[in-house]
Amino acid sequence: GESVGLHLPTLSVQEGDNSIINCAYSNSASDYFIWYKQESGKGPQFIIDIRSNMDKRQGQRVTVLLNKTVKHLSLQIAATQPGDSAVYFCAESHLGTDKLIFGTGTRLQVFP
Amino acid sequence: DTEVTQTPKHLVMGMTNKKSLKCEQHMGHRAMYWYKQKAKKPPELMFVYSYEKLSINESVPSRFSPECPNSSLLNLHLHALQPEDSALYLCASSLKTAGTEAFFGQGTRLTVV
Repeated sequence: GESVGLHLPTLSVQEGDNSIINCAYSNSASDYFIWYKQESGKGPQFIIDIRSNMDKRQGQRVTVLLNKTVKHLSLQIAATQPGDSAVYFCAESHLGTDKLIFGTGTRLQVFP
Repeated sequence: DTEVTQTPKHLVMGMTNKKSLKCEQHMGHRAMYWYKQKAKKPPELMFVYSYEKLSINESVPSRFSPECPNSSLLNLHLHALQPEDSALYLCASSLKTAGTEAFFGQGTRLTVV
């Protein structure tokens, strides 16, 4: 069946360092991926997305990398700040389905 | 306006009660979703509406009944729930399904007693 999962449940980084959050997916038909940030008591907040015809996409302080060969994507956060502390989810969908499926999530903890 | 608004924010209901969760968006999105999220878990898809028609029901028990009265509104009617149904219920919308950015509301924290 479909599954989207993460390698690390918790990531601790020092303020100012770069963070890398990973996600593996199993559905080779997936062609659209989103990273969400969820703070405690709030709904998921869109960070950045990428389509399968791209390998890399950059936003403000964030970069998403997609490796379709090994079905892996990552979220890189530059100069991590305390406000980045949250749970990060990857989600995937593909044309032909109305589903947006979430991975298991990684908690990012930023310490001074 | 890039908001998805959910009401109420918190709800406590008994197992014999009937209640409804509401979701509203004014972004012109034609796809709307209900998700259920338990603590420390990812959101789990429940229902998808596409152009006001139910397109996906992820084998959700009939005690959960979705409704999409128009393109801006999405309801989730609750009846005879169980304590294990206690969770954060999230609504989302996107311009269209599959391959477009989905925006989430803040959720309704539901407690069944």
